[in-house]
Amino acid sequence: QITLWESGPTLVKPTQTLTLTCTFSGFSFRTSGVGVGWIRQPPGKALEWLALIYWNDDKRYSPSLKSRLTITKDTSKNQVVLTMTNMDHMDTATYYCAHARRRYHFLTGYYGELDYWGRGTLVPVSS
Amino acid sequence: QSALTQPASVSGSPGQSITISCTGTNSDVGNYNIVAWYQQHPGKAPKLIIYEGSERPSGVSNRFSGSKSGNAASLTISGLQAEDEADYYCCSYEGGSTFFGGGTRLTVL
Repeated sequence: QITLWESGPTLVKPTQTLTLTCTFSGFSFRTSGVGVGWIRQPPGKALEWLALIYWNDDKRYSPSLKSRLTITKDTSKNQVVLTMTNMDHMDTATYYCAHARRRYHFLTGYYGELDYWGRGTLVPVSS
Repeated sequence: QSALTQPASVSGSPGQSITISCTGTNSDVGNYNIVAWYQQHPGKAPKLIIYEGSERPSGVSNRFSGSKSGNAASLTISGLQAEDEADYYCCSYEGGSTFFGGGTRLTVL
């Protein structure tokens, strides 16, 4: 059974760096094709994909947020960490992590299909 | 960069069928049908209900179906039930990145 859960600060101040950890069970980065992605959702708004890391350490980032994001993994701990620099009140959102299956289409290349999601963690940004 | 357009809201009565559209361009949805759909109840995490355009994960009701016509993907829910009231998001991919639509609120009257 695949389970993921997010952990992080209960409050972040503007200009600070956010560090979020996704801890998972039921799968491993030792398995080919596995990935973990991050997605966020501001209150009352739509989902926004942030980043994804695969078992082979291939990393993908949202083009609009790439300069602020870093995603890493710890295979032995079954964890993925996302950092986002220079936080702003507009970054207030629920942040989700999700298991991804790497798939391929000849017209767009590899992509990560997000199939199991954590419950999310709300990160308010306020001074 | 992909931009997927969904209607803000749709509604239907129990037992009816509804369709939610997800309009892209001929560079993404129009070019390949790998759209995914997610259902999200208030305060809950999204749940994958359709992948690769029309495939259903194990355990998802066959009342949910996906299709594509031109530059638009569609999610159809047949035999509408009260529990289907939720937000629905389409999702596509380009250049290794993932893009979500703006979401559609389904109200069961």
